[in-house]
Amino acid sequence: NAGVTQTPKFRILKIGQSMTLQCTQDMNHNYMYWYRQDPGMGLKLIYYSVGAGITDKGEVPNGYNVSRSTTEDFPLRLELAAPSQTSVYFCASSSSGVDGYTFGSGTRLTVV
Amino acid sequence: GIQVEQSPPDLILQEGANSTLRCNFSDSVNNLQWFHQNPWGQLINLFYIPSGTKQNGRLSATTVATERYSLLYISSSQTTDSGVYFCAVPVYNQGGKLIFGQGTELSVKP
Repeated sequence: NAGVTQTPKFRILKIGQSMTLQCTQDMNHNYMYWYRQDPGMGLKLIYYSVGAGITDKGEVPNGYNVSRSTTEDFPLRLELAAPSQTSVYFCASSSSGVDGYTFGSGTRLTVV
Repeated sequence: GIQVEQSPPDLILQEGANSTLRCNFSDSVNNLQWFHQNPWGQLINLFYIPSGTKQNGRLSATTVATERYSLLYISSSQTTDSGVYFCAVPVYNQGGKLIFGQGTELSVKP
């Protein structure tokens, strides 16, 4: 049971480049989330999904897009990367949106 | 929206000491989660504790929902307890998104 798998673990982007952060879970969870964590701070929600085909914005969605075509996958797309998007990105899932949250190991992104 | 505040922001302990971390929240909640982020960045779910007290080994947590706070107790601390401890509250009408506190950074010295 792999839980929540994120790829890549590390990435350096140049300003203006685009990339997709991958997130896959094998627990058949309906609820999935993308958070970002800036140094010394708590996590802030970028986007979330309550099931396949349903996504919604969180606190800091600007500069990002998501899709949820299957229960398992919830990719996060960065278009036109900016230095302000340098952060650690975490994907998470939950069976109920109440408890049992499982986090991936994170993607450390640097935009230069 | 709900605000979540943690104290202290950082804490240094000698191995074997006990500690108490606090989490205050601004509105009534139906759930509260404690997480440990280890020095490698991995987030581990410690407790789901909407009210009452739970214990897991040397760690225990108490939530007093009516007074809007939760406490995490670490007894006989070990160097492996080092890292950042977060409390977080889910918002049910927004897909269960978690509102995180700023964290308490714990350093346990040998």
